[in-house]
Amino acid sequence: QVQLVESGGGLVKPGGSLRLSCGVSGFSFSDYYMAWVRQAPGKGLEWVAYIGRSGDLLYYADFAKGRFTISRDNAVNSVYLQMNGLRVEDTAVYFCVRDVRAAAGNWFDPWGQGTLVTVSS
Amino acid sequence: DFQMTQSPSSLSASVGDRVTITCRASQRISTYLNWYQQRPGKAPTLLIYDASRLHSGVPSRFSGSGSGTDFTLTIASLQPEDFATYYCQQSYQTPSFSFGQGTKLEMK
Repeated sequence: QVQLVESGGGLVKPGGSLRLSCGVSGFSFSDYYMAWVRQAPGKGLEWVAYIGRSGDLLYYADFAKGRFTISRDNAVNSVYLQMNGLRVEDTAVYFCVRDVRAAAGNWFDPWGQGTLVTVSS
Repeated sequence: DFQMTQSPSSLSASVGDRVTITCRASQRISTYLNWYQQRPGKAPTLLIYDASRLHSGVPSRFSGSGSGTDFTLTIASLQPEDFATYYCQQSYQTPSFSFGQGTKLEMK
């Protein structure tokens, strides 16, 4: 059974840092792109970043560039999101997702349960 | 900037109703369009990819159509578990995978 389990969320002050982790099981991790998507309280979904199969391809949403770093460790089937310089507007549930690539485009399936990041003084 | 606009933003319907949600892209995206369902307090799940292909395990009452800029998600006969929020997402303009703002489907 495919499973994605996030951890590392919590309360942090503005300007602080947090590292999210996502452990994966049930599929061949190194065969897939991975991504992070976030959802602010009561708001819609927002793509944050994705990483290629071997970790060589990295892309970020504009709001994440220069502050967030996505990485992965295929030896332990995990993907990470290092978040620095956090702002109040980064408060959200962060979902780890498998980024399925195909000729017909790409889609996110499945999703982890999410981890809540709260940025507040 | 690439925009995905869903309509309506919210919708009231009854069990057994036929419901249609629309998603419009600001530029042509062929059929690079996906639909997700998010039940309250839960993570989203994939319903449809490539505009019209039903994801494995998704009931056949769900269907998607469209290409270019205009897309629809149709639920043929609403079931109680279908009351949720639905999002479209484009995968044409990589690497930025923008979502629609969501359509909340509520029980009338």
